[in-house]
Amino acid sequence: GENVEQHPSTLSVQEGDSAVIKCTYSDSASNYFPWYKQELGKRPQLIIDIRSNVGEKKDQRIAVTLNKTAKHFSLHITETQPEDSAVYFCAASYTGTASKLTFGTGTRLQVTL
Amino acid sequence: EADIYQTPRYLVIGTGKKITLECSQTMGHDKMYWYQQDPGMELHLIHYSYGVNSTEKGDLSSESTVSRIRTEHFPLTLESARPSHTSQYLCASSEIGGMPQHFGDGTRLSIL
Repeated sequence: GENVEQHPSTLSVQEGDSAVIKCTYSDSASNYFPWYKQELGKRPQLIIDIRSNVGEKKDQRIAVTLNKTAKHFSLHITETQPEDSAVYFCAASYTGTASKLTFGTGTRLQVTL
Repeated sequence: EADIYQTPRYLVIGTGKKITLECSQTMGHDKMYWYQQDPGMELHLIHYSYGVNSTEKGDLSSESTVSRIRTEHFPLTLESARPSHTSQYLCASSEIGGMPQHFGDGTRLSIL
């Protein structure tokens, strides 16, 4: 089955700096890679996702890059703000009826003033 | 508004009780999932369903059971709760293709 590793487990940045979270996956059949943000006491929220037919996707201050050859993908947050503080989870899956997401272990991001 | 609804949000109950955690969705999704998560920690898939009368065990062994009699409803049951069941339980749903998944607010369960 799929295995997803996520690093770092904790990340502290100053407001305005950039943050990068990296994930690797094991199953070359995986073709869908979402990122979820979970604030304290809240549900995980999908913030961005990428499919294997593209290498990069951006949405305002958030971007995701995918390297299929190396089987890794990364989340980039620019101009971080205190409200970016949360736990971020990457995940991987193939799309299809029998698909199910395999999650990484999470990164706790703290944005300090 | 289309959403996933979980009740109760919090439950504190004694050992040995039978518990049912409710999950309903108005997303029109076929697939539904249950995850177990200690706060802020890794998400572990414990059950999922492709549709009515379909239930599958997830990656993490669980003493809970699920049923799917209606498309929009996917309750999780613990026949005899134990302190080791203390955790947060998150329900999610998706279209049949599997992606993306949307989560409910979760039930935080404490067994005394």
